[in-house]
Amino acid sequence: NAGVTQTPKFQVLKTGQSMTLQCAQDMNHEYMSWYRQDPGMGLRLIHYSVGAGITDQGEVPNGYNVSRSTTEDFPLRLLSAAPSQTSVYFCASSSQDQSSYEQYFGPGTRLTVT
Amino acid sequence: GEDVEQSLFLSVREGDSSVINCTYTDSSSTYLYWYKQEPGAGLQLLTYIFSNMDMKQDQRLTVLLNKKDKHLSLRIADTQTGDSAIYFCAEEGAGSYQLTFGKGTKLSVIP
Repeated sequence: NAGVTQTPKFQVLKTGQSMTLQCAQDMNHEYMSWYRQDPGMGLRLIHYSVGAGITDQGEVPNGYNVSRSTTEDFPLRLLSAAPSQTSVYFCASSSQDQSSYEQYFGPGTRLTVT
Repeated sequence: GEDVEQSLFLSVREGDSSVINCTYTDSSSTYLYWYKQEPGAGLQLLTYIFSNMDMKQDQRLTVLLNKKDKHLSLRIADTQTGDSAIYFCAEEGAGSYQLTFGKGTKLSVIP
């Protein structure tokens, strides 16, 4: 298993540009989520999904869209990038099986918006 | 909303024990987690504890949970330079798979 994969690893955008951060998992996990990590702020939940076709907002959803058309993929879209969205983005997945408690994190995408 | 607090920095000498503390506010938390993040890397689950447990030991790691005071600690015995990293405490609310993270404690191990 590759686990949770994220692309790209690094990205630089200009203010107003759009882009999609990709996240995929091959563990057949129902739950997937996106976090952003900022210095001194820990990780904050942006959006999450409990299964294909179901998404919901987390703590900091503004400026981001998500969709979940398949179990494997959970892309995060920035429609009009702003410097405040400069951050490291982590995707995570977990099983809803009560015997499995671990959320698996991807390696992260480091985004800079100028 | 839920809140998780940690001290930001901890410095210990190699071979000593490290204790990283965490407090949380959500009394309905079912699981509490400790994650480790090395520079430039993602988060790695170190250990977790279910809310009806007081203690969990896993090799050099000991987790203590005081549910009454909503206090969680992670003790690393015989701390090594490879333990230098940021350690995040996180709680998972009842019926939810969402994690609320603390800001992280940066552990520096002095050789």
